[in-house]
Amino acid sequence: GQQLNQSPQSMFIQEGEDVSMNCTSSSIFNTWLWYKQDPGEGPVLLIALYKAGELTSNGRLTAQFGITRKDSFLNISASIPSDVGIYFCAGLGSGGSNYKLTFGKGTLLTVNP
Amino acid sequence: DAGITQSPRHKVTETGTPVTLRCHQTENHRYMYWYRQDPGHGLRLIHYSYGVKDTDKGEVSDGYSVSRSKTEDFLLTLESATSSQTSVYFCAISDPPGREQETQYFGPGTRLLVL
Repeated sequence: GQQLNQSPQSMFIQEGEDVSMNCTSSSIFNTWLWYKQDPGEGPVLLIALYKAGELTSNGRLTAQFGITRKDSFLNISASIPSDVGIYFCAGLGSGGSNYKLTFGKGTLLTVNP
Repeated sequence: DAGITQSPRHKVTETGTPVTLRCHQTENHRYMYWYRQDPGHGLRLIHYSYGVKDTDKGEVSDGYSVSRSKTEDFLLTLESATSSQTSVYFCAISDPPGREQETQYFGPGTRLLVL
């Protein structure tokens, strides 16, 4: 099946620093989604990307849909303590009636005040 | 939150007992999903539904069954719970305007412990 490789697995940064994380795949995806999950909560959608090459921002967050459709990255600028959590990428494959998302294993972000 | 509730939020049960988890949505979304989340595996799809009485298997469906008799409710049943089914279970919903516009919204999760 399709797999997503998300990196890094974890990050330990100082407040105010910028953060970058990415997902890569050997398969093509038609949609890339980025979620954030706080402890004890469900994932919350941050950004959705639907076109190859698309660059989308949501406040301090910026994400891009790779031109090859096999990768995506998420940047967080000027990190703050509430950015702490697990960030997941998810891709929706091409072909058929596939509405099933494939998820990366997550990037655990820790921000030191 | 996208109008999704899950019940119960926490459950402890014994091996061999049946367990049913409920997902309820108020968004009238067509698609509903059940995932489990485990350390080292991320989120994995168990079953999904694309309409009332229309369901299909995900990647980890063994030992689970689902039912959808109403748009708003999607039930996940563990017929005979095993310790390997200890996990956090998430329900998700979506209603994409087109196949390329998929976005899934997640519920708060159910923590299940099978002893």
